[in-house]
Amino acid sequence: EVQLVQSGAEVKKPGESLKISCKGSGYSFTSYWIGWVRQMPGKGLEWMGIIYPGDSDTRYSPSFQGQVTISADKSISTAYLQWSSLKASDTAMYYCARRGDYCSGGSCYRGGFDYWGQGTLVTVSS
Amino acid sequence: EIVLTQSPGTLSLSPGERATLSCRASQSVSSSYLAWYQQKPGQAPRLLIYGASSRATGIPDRFSGSGSGTDFTLTISRLEPEDFAVYYCQQYGSSTGTFGQGTKVEIK
Repeated sequence: EVQLVQSGAEVKKPGESLKISCKGSGYSFTSYWIGWVRQMPGKGLEWMGIIYPGDSDTRYSPSFQGQVTISADKSISTAYLQWSSLKASDTAMYYCARRGDYCSGGSCYRGGFDYWGQGTLVTVSS
Repeated sequence: EIVLTQSPGTLSLSPGERATLSCRASQSVSSSYLAWYQQKPGQAPRLLIYGASSRATGIPDRFSGSGSGTDFTLTISRLEPEDFAVYYCQQYGSSTGTFGQGTKVEIK
């Protein structure tokens, strides 16, 4: 069974650093892209960035470039999202999700985010 | 960056009715890499449709997706009580993905 299990809720102060995690199991972790999605309280979904754990190729949304760092440790099947200096506006639920790429008829295609973590709530408050 | 605009913002319908949700992209979505998700309060999103028209595993056939280029549609043929939720489109054809702002389907 494919599972993505995220680390627990965090309460931090502005200016502090933070690294949250997403551990994959039940599939070949190095063969699928893992994305991170932000959802601020009462708001919609925002695509933050994505990483391929096989070679750590990483892409960032322009809105999040330079604001967060996405990384992965394939030896423990875990992806990470980190901040060096949190702001109150970083308060949100953060989801990781697997991009379900697939092959059919000799060609390979990108898929949607087919498996999601349970979310990590990050609260930043003084 | 491709901007996705969903309409309407809210759809008020009764169980058994047909729901038609729209997603328009600011530029053509490569290879119809367009997905639809359903999100209920307190839950992670769930993939419904990928590749603009392919249903994800376990998704009932009352959900269907169509479209290409810049215009895409999610149709729910007959609303069941569990279908009242927020729906998001997402493009993943460019190097970075984007989501639409969401459409809430509420009970009339």
